Amino acid sequence: SAVISQKPSRDICQRGTSLTIQCQVDSQVTMMFWYRQQPGQSLTLIATANQGSEATYESGFVIDKFPISRPNLTFSTLTVSNMSPEDSSIYLCSVVTPGLYQHFGDGTRLSIL
Amino acid sequence: AQTVTQSQPEMSVQEAETVTLSCTYDTSESNYYLFWYKQPPSRQMILVIRQEAYKQQNATENRFSVNFQKAAKSFSLKISDSQLGDTAMYFCACLLRGGSEKLVFGKGTKLTVNP
Repeated sequence: SAVISQKPSRDICQRGTSLTIQCQVDSQVTMMFWYRQQPGQSLTLIATANQGSEATYESGFVIDKFPISRPNLTFSTLTVSNMSPEDSSIYLCSVVTPGLYQHFGDGTRLSIL
Repeated sequence: AQTVTQSQPEMSVQEAETVTLSCTYDTSESNYYLFWYKQPPSRQMILVIRQEAYKQQNATENRFSVNFQKAAKSFSLKISDSQLGDTAMYFCACLLRGGSEKLVFGKGTKLTVNP
């Protein structure tokens, strides 16, 4: 398995501001993903973070709202931009390890006032 | 596109008893993996068990086992000797091999283990 550190674990933000969430893995991984879990809901994939190239976004998610960086094989960031109360969610990063096991970070609980 | 359906929003079981959570999926692909994840109130997503579609033998992990019916596209999770710490949301998920390796999740089942 992989050890995934996600920061911050929670934050309360003002409407209109932006927050960057970091995801650090203890080993090199090819596939990294960012998910959103709205209150009481299941997980929805935001994008695949590609190392050295632009992220691949799912339908309904755009780069201007959720810019993603992936500078190397162990680190990625997700920024939630121009936040509104509808962005209040848990944001999770995940990685795929050899053997196709997908493991998750502990998540970032984001509340927008 | 694949879909995953969990038809039981909530379930409860007495401590030490056995409970089965249901999951059905739909995909036109032949090469895929199925997962059960547990999410306690702490919000961590914990991998419980994984099944490769090409394997006929049902996966088991200690008190957790699956009943994988490929033709019926069914993937249920059985929890034996339920413990209070099993109280959590349980999500079924499907991953297609050879593509983006992204997971598609069901809506989840909230399991409560009662003392």
